[in-house]
Amino acid sequence: DTEVTQTPKHLVMGMTNKKSLKCEQHMGHRAMYWYKQKAKKPPELMFVYSYEKLSINESVPSRFSPECPNSSLLNLHLHALQPEDSALYLCASSQSGRGNTGELFFGEGSRLTVL
Amino acid sequence: RKEVEQDPGPFNVPEGATVAFNCTYSNSASQSFFWYRQDCRKEPKLLMSVYSSGNEDGRFTAQLNRASQYISLLIRDSKLSDSATYLCVVNLSGTYKYIFGTGTRLKVLA
Repeated sequence: DTEVTQTPKHLVMGMTNKKSLKCEQHMGHRAMYWYKQKAKKPPELMFVYSYEKLSINESVPSRFSPECPNSSLLNLHLHALQPEDSALYLCASSQSGRGNTGELFFGEGSRLTVL
Repeated sequence: RKEVEQDPGPFNVPEGATVAFNCTYSNSASQSFFWYRQDCRKEPKLLMSVYSSGNEDGRFTAQLNRASQYISLLIRDSKLSDSATYLCVVNLSGTYKYIFGTGTRLKVLA
């Protein structure tokens, strides 16, 4: 059983919709991540939050908006997406501490389809 | 040149075979190394971390060669359930950046 929980597991949305993906972990990890994965490709980093502050934004379009309300929660707000944004969105967490972030723990992912 | 390179495969092997995957990385600031396994339409799951001295977990053995900047994974006595994509992952020292290889597909055949 994964210790990182993502909701919803599946989401279908139109290009004008606004929706959010949610992620929760209770391992005391202080770094949380959003990755995007297309079929037959490796995960691509989107955002990293460290101690609830945005640490890395990999030049992600503004139609994706991350939010970290507290150390256990990570959201990804979606607005005006394009069909090419359809993908598996993976949340992950790791221990904090530069030089020793340890392994990544992934949630099961949210499979997004944009019509 | 990609930061982390893997042979995409697929590797088709019979049950019981021994199979080895290699992964090369280009950034000498790489500090931590991992092998993840990903089943179709599922999330990546940690198979094993890779330590400098090499490490073994049952049928799986991981090796790290820092001088040549490569990592290997050896699977002995392959099972049907080992069929998956194996991702090599490198963490850069002092950062939250985990670089993923493209993955190597393994199919174990009955």
